[in-house]
Amino acid sequence: NAGVTQTPKFRILKIGQSMTLQCTQDMNHNYMYWYRQDPGMGLKLIYYSVGAGITDKGEVPNGYNVSRSTTEDFPLRLELAAPSQTSVYFCASSYGNTIYFGEGSWLTVV
Amino acid sequence: RKEVEQDPGPFNVPEGATVAFNCTYSNSASQSFFWYRQDCRKEPKLLMSVYSSGNEDGRFTAQLNRASQYISLLIRDSKLSDSATYLCVAAHRGSTLGRLYFGRGTQLTVWP
Repeated sequence: NAGVTQTPKFRILKIGQSMTLQCTQDMNHNYMYWYRQDPGMGLKLIYYSVGAGITDKGEVPNGYNVSRSTTEDFPLRLELAAPSQTSVYFCASSYGNTIYFGEGSWLTVV
Repeated sequence: RKEVEQDPGPFNVPEGATVAFNCTYSNSASQSFFWYRQDCRKEPKLLMSVYSSGNEDGRFTAQLNRASQYISLLIRDSKLSDSATYLCVAAHRGSTLGRLYFGRGTQLTVWP
């Protein structure tokens, strides 16, 4: 059971670099999300999608972009990485009242 | 003011103890509530939903008090394996599930 798969698991970026965090789910869920979690803090919603071709901003979208060309995939793009984007990123999908999270991507910007 | 507030702890309790966590939410539009468990360096996983009438799942009991806008989680007969961070989560009425608001989490350590 793959569920929600995120890659990479760990990445170090230099300030100003760009990268894409990949997320894919095999449960045919329409709803997908990207959260970030800073140390000792709760999860904050970056972007979400209610289906292929539809995305919307969450609480903290600045510095990020997303796309949803298929039901399965929901990549998160960081443009011009900044130290404030050092965090753990969780991709998730949902059905009904349950959210399924990926294992997380640890990103450090130096 | 944060949407969801939790006492971050840490709570350190011996095996077999009963421990209770409280959580408050600020927005009366919040309609659905959940407790998630997060192990160190792992993703959150749903522990249980919280219903107005209160609900129980084994050693875990969740309560919701809409008048006072707080949610509680009671863990009886604590086990070593209960050591984790417990996240209180609120979702607004009429919103997509994506608009969940997470508390900072309450850290629990159960010692032998």
